[in-house]
This record gives sequence, C-alpha cells and structure tokens, in this order.
Amino acid sequence: GENVEQHPSTLSVQEGDSAVIKCTYSDSASNYFPWYKQELGKRPQLIIDIRSNVGEKKDQRIAVTLNKTAKHFSLHITETQPEDSAVYFCAASTWDDKIIFGKGTRLHILP
Amino acid sequence: EAQVTQNPRYLITVTGKKLTVTCSQNMNHEYMSWYRQDPGLGLRQIYYSMNVEVTDKGDVPEGYKVSRKEKRNFPLILESPSPNQTSLYFCASKDVAGGYNEQFFGPGTRLTVL
Repeated sequence: GENVEQHPSTLSVQEGDSAVIKCTYSDSASNYFPWYKQELGKRPQLIIDIRSNVGEKKDQRIAVTLNKTAKHFSLHITETQPEDSAVYFCAASTWDDKIIFGKGTRLHILP
Repeated sequence: EAQVTQNPRYLITVTGKKLTVTCSQNMNHEYMSWYRQDPGLGLRQIYYSMNVEVTDKGDVPEGYKVSRKEKRNFPLILESPSPNQTSLYFCASKDVAGGYNEQFFGPGTRLTVL
C-alpha cells in the first residue's frame, strides 16, 4: 500500500526566514497531494494542494512543488511569521479516495 | 454555518463497553471519513464513505465499524473498545468523492479507554 514519509519531524527557523518540509510517497497511482496545518488543540485545515498534472503551485507565501518521477513533493513557506508555528501534514491520495498522511512536522518560528 | 460536528468531544470509557461517536455535516457532502491521530503517527484513515450505503476500509479499520444510512451522518462504532483505541478522532467531509477538493475536519473527539 501507499507509504508517505515526511521530513523533518521538527523544524525551527528564525522569523522572516524560509521553511521547507519534504515528503516522499510510494504509490505511483497517487494523484492528489494536500498539505494541512494543525495549530495546537485545533483541527487540521488545508493550506494548499497540488494535483499530479501540475509541477508547482503558489499561494502568497506558501508554495508546493511536485516531482512525479522522484515521487516527492515539498512545502515552502517564505518570510515566516509567528502564526506559522504549527504542525504540518503532507498527504497523498489516489483516485479511490484512500488517503495516507505523513507523520507531521512541528514548525517553530523563533523570534 | 457550514460545519462538521462530532459528539461527544471527550469520552472516558472502560474496556469492552460499546460506544458510538457521531459525525454530522450540513454541507451536503458526498464523501465522509474517519481518522485517528496519535503522537508521532500523524493522521491515519480508519474508514471512509464515498456516498450513502458505500463504505470502505482505510489504513487502520480493525476494531471499528461505520455506517452511512444518510448523507449527512457517518457514525463511528467501537463494539468492544480496548486501551489501544485511546486516541484523538477526527471526522471529515468533502464535496465530491474522487475529486481534488478540500476535506473539512470536525473539532475532534478525545477518547480514553481504561
């Protein structure tokens, strides 16, 4: 079955710097790759997603890149702010809606 | 207000006592899903439903049952809970099954099985 590896598990960056979180997946049939942000004590919320026919997508300070050949995708957050501190989850989903999440990255934004 | 609701939000129970966690959405979504979240393991899909009367196993279905008799409701049933089912549970829904669209999560149910 599908397996999603996410790295790093913890990331600390200085406010204003960039943060990059990487994920790899195993099932070449995966065609949808969402990223969720979960603040402490809250529910996960979608922040950006990408389909398998697209290589890159940007939304303000957030971007996601996908390399289908290498089966990896990454989340990039630029100009980080204190409110970016949270746990981030990547996920891979196939046409039949089975979805596998990575184990999460705890992002700390240092003042 | 468009939302996914779960009840109860917190539950402490004992091994073997059957329980049901309800999930309801008011957005007329086709797809609904249950996840459990454990420290260091992320979110794992338990069961999902692509429409009424259609349910499928996710990654960790053992020890759980679900039903989808109506579009808006997707209850999670633990027939004989065990301590390893102590976890934070999330229900989620999205507009169309098989589509590239956002899942909306409920507020979560924290379950402790003693």
